[in-house]
Amino acid sequence: DVKVTQSSRYLVKRTGEKVFLECVQDMDHENMFWYRQDPGLGLRLIYFSYDVKMKEKGDIPEGYSVSREKKERFSLILESASTNQTSMYLCASSSPGTSGTYEQFFGPGTRLTVL
Amino acid sequence: AQRVTQPEKLLSVFKGAPVELKCNYSYSGSPELFWYVQYSRQRLQLLLRHISRESIKGFTADLNKGETSFHLKKPFAQEEDSAMYYCALSGRGSQGNLIFGKGTKLSVKP
Repeated sequence: DVKVTQSSRYLVKRTGEKVFLECVQDMDHENMFWYRQDPGLGLRLIYFSYDVKMKEKGDIPEGYSVSREKKERFSLILESASTNQTSMYLCASSSPGTSGTYEQFFGPGTRLTVL
Repeated sequence: AQRVTQPEKLLSVFKGAPVELKCNYSYSGSPELFWYVQYSRQRLQLLLRHISRESIKGFTADLNKGETSFHLKKPFAQEEDSAMYYCALSGRGSQGNLIFGKGTKLSVKP
């Protein structure tokens, strides 16, 4: 059973703080993703990674950075948190299945509130 | 531009009624289409994918390339179907990157 875990379910930070969100997967997946989920906006891709030390910008990378030093771990960093970064953050991982299609497996999410 | 459109933010039906959640896409090529579901207080999970042509929990979805649609259907809705549903698209060679629609919240009333 694929397990994607995120370091915190709830997080409250102050404007200007540096915030680290951690994600770990235990299925040796190559691909990992960070999304933010907002009502009425759906899921928006922030960053993704196809391999260790590789990263690619998604649709809304501004204000975020990522780190992937190990295959199983993908970290999202908010260099200087702002109130408009209050959101639910979802991590996901994937690899090609037997049919060649990719199923993304999601973590439980971290609800971040920036005051 | 690649895009997934779910026109309904909220869909409310009574138990036992048929349900159809609409999804239209824009993609120049042969996409892979998926439906993901998020039940209350649970993580987002795959419901079904078009390539499998399967029925999961009574739900089916047919890819209509002419209408660029991938609507999700169930003939008789159950209360436990109440959830947030997202349609998603993956392009060939994209290594699994998904483009999600904005989601439809399905509410099944008793």
